[in-house]
Amino acid sequence: DSGVTQTPKHLITATGQRVTLRCSPRSGDLSVYWYQQSLDQGLQFLIHYYNGEERAKGNILERFSAQQFPDLHSELNLSSLELGDSALYFCASSVEAGGMNTEAFFGQGTRLTVV
Amino acid sequence: LAKTTQPVSMDSYEGQEVNITCSHNNIATNDYITWYQQFPSQGPRFIIQGYKTKVTNEVASLFIPADRKSSTLSLPRVSLSDTAVYYCLVADSGGGADGLTFGKGTHLIIQP
Repeated sequence: DSGVTQTPKHLITATGQRVTLRCSPRSGDLSVYWYQQSLDQGLQFLIHYYNGEERAKGNILERFSAQQFPDLHSELNLSSLELGDSALYFCASSVEAGGMNTEAFFGQGTRLTVV
Repeated sequence: LAKTTQPVSMDSYEGQEVNITCSHNNIATNDYITWYQQFPSQGPRFIIQGYKTKVTNEVASLFIPADRKSSTLSLPRVSLSDTAVYYCLVADSGGGADGLTFGKGTHLIIQP
């Protein structure tokens, strides 16, 4: 158990819908990272928050947004869903803002299926 | 961006030592080298990190030559449960999108 909690574990929804994925980082970790992993694209970095502020953006679509709240949990909002958005979405956390350069801990992921 | 190059896949047998090499010719002075392991349908797990020479922990060793243009992850006496994808990342502590980007990794398959 990495200490990072993601909910829900599984999500099935229809095209055009909107969903929210939630991540609770390890206690004391200030950084939260979101990744998307699909079979044909590998592990894609989406966005990084540190202590409530956005620190870095990767290949995140405009239909996707995220935020980190004062209690440090984070939510990833996916809207106007398309079939191609079906993937595993991982959240990771670390104490520092150094990204994967520091020891980051990943959650078990949310498997999103868009039908 | 210090891009990394790793073999796409490797095979070995239980009980063998496995060495996975990562090339990072454009590594910068402040960059660290970090390795993660990922099992199917699970999030990556931090294995080891180093800056130069050799680093060892309870699961692996990391060898970094003086020019730091490559690094080798060494897994001693592998077992079937070491079958996974191994990622090499190069980044400095400043964060930024470049340091958060995983490559395609090396798919290590351990056979009985």
